[in-house]
Amino acid sequence: NAGVMQNPRHLVRRRGQEARLRCSPMKGHSHVYWYRQLPEEGLKFMVYLQKENIIDESGMPKERFSAEFPKEGPSILRIQQVVRGDSAAYFCASSPPGQGPIYGYTFGSGTRLTVV
Amino acid sequence: DAKTTQPTSMDCAEGRAANLPCNHSTISGNEYVYWYRQIHSQGPQYIIHGLKNNETNEMASLIITEDRKSSTLILPHATLRDTAVYYCIVRGGSARQLTFGSGTQLTVLP
Repeated sequence: NAGVMQNPRHLVRRRGQEARLRCSPMKGHSHVYWYRQLPEEGLKFMVYLQKENIIDESGMPKERFSAEFPKEGPSILRIQQVVRGDSAAYFCASSPPGQGPIYGYTFGSGTRLTVV
Repeated sequence: DAKTTQPTSMDCAEGRAANLPCNHSTISGNEYVYWYRQIHSQGPQYIIHGLKNNETNEMASLIITEDRKSSTLILPHATLRDTAVYYCIVRGGSARQLTFGSGTQLTVLP
């Protein structure tokens, strides 16, 4: 049973370009979460999605960032017009439906974004 | 979610038990205590969670005080591969996201 798959593992973008980060949840998981970890800092929650719905985007920057989790395919975190401050590790996690807060959820290995 | 307080860093000798403390004095009745760890540059790894009772699994034990204001994660026989940042997180009710603090950097020494 494959874990949470994130790609690419490393992504280099020039300032002003777009970055697209993909996350395929574990089989049977319908809840996806995105977190960002800036260098030498802890993980910060960004957004929580279910299939075709954004449930909580309270941690998302107001501009340039968007996320989706379509009915088919992976969840996508999109960063438009990247700036150097967007350089970070972006982690995706998934959980099964209906489990509530009882169980922890599974993280992927992350995408390291470097903006040059 | 309740705020947690952990020591910034700890050392432990290989083969000995590692005891990582966490204070969560403002925890409410429906909030669980979770422990995750992050080995350098990897995604966080779930370790264990508990509500009131002590818990044990193949990775660790979790001891929660009777008043639930603090807990201790115990790695019974630490190995070099247990060197990581350990996060104590309190989460409950309908909250889905985890709020990570600064964690404890555990270094297992040979």
